[in-house]
Amino acid sequence: SYVLTQPPSVSVAPGQTARITCGGNNIGSKSVHWYQQKPGQAPVLVVYDDSDRPSGIPERFSGSNSGNTATLTISRVEAGDEADYYCQVWDSSSDHQRVFGGGTKLTVL
Amino acid sequence: EVQLVESGGGLVKPGGSLRLSCAASGFTFSSYSMNWVRQAPGKGLEWVSSISSSSSYIYYADSVKGRFTISRDNAKNSLYLQMNSLRAEDTAVYYCARDARPGSTLRGHFDYWGQGTLVTVSS
Repeated sequence: SYVLTQPPSVSVAPGQTARITCGGNNIGSKSVHWYQQKPGQAPVLVVYDDSDRPSGIPERFSGSNSGNTATLTISRVEAGDEADYYCQVWDSSSDHQRVFGGGTKLTVL
Repeated sequence: EVQLVESGGGLVKPGGSLRLSCAASGFTFSSYSMNWVRQAPGKGLEWVSSISSSSSYIYYADSVKGRFTISRDNAKNSLYLQMNSLRAEDTAVYYCARDARPGSTLRGHFDYWGQGTLVTVSS
């Protein structure tokens, strides 16, 4: 089955840029989606199809995807961005399974 | 406003069964594929199962195949997950999530999630 690898944690100071990676074999050929999850809450979609943002998500959230790595970039990080972030793809090779990365805890220093 | 409300969670013994429900409102339920995603305590998200809008296509994670059954009732705007032969490792919050695009793509992202229902498997 397809594996997505995320760093367990990323730390960034307020106002700086956070980059959260999601690694997978030839992930650049897949559509990657990103979710934000705060403690005790359900996940929220922040980026879909590599780089599109749902309505209501700030422009500070952006995504890219190429080769073996997809990246979620959060510009001008705010304290309220502190959360767990998960990448997700559809694995066409394994019976229509959706796959999540292990998640990255973003800490705002 | 789109709303997804899960229910049916609780404490069950290993080997037992439980049926989860997800009540949907605020959108044309019969037009969207639906999903179950779970999260074990302190762990990440795990996709469990998907069902197309007309129930024609159903998929399961390997970890639950043969034990869990997803179903839906479009007349009642409801999604279900029948869980049998439960194991300790099935302990998790179970979320109901909507496929973002109407139709039977079963390959995209999830745009709305419920708040989840906790299932605890323990003797």
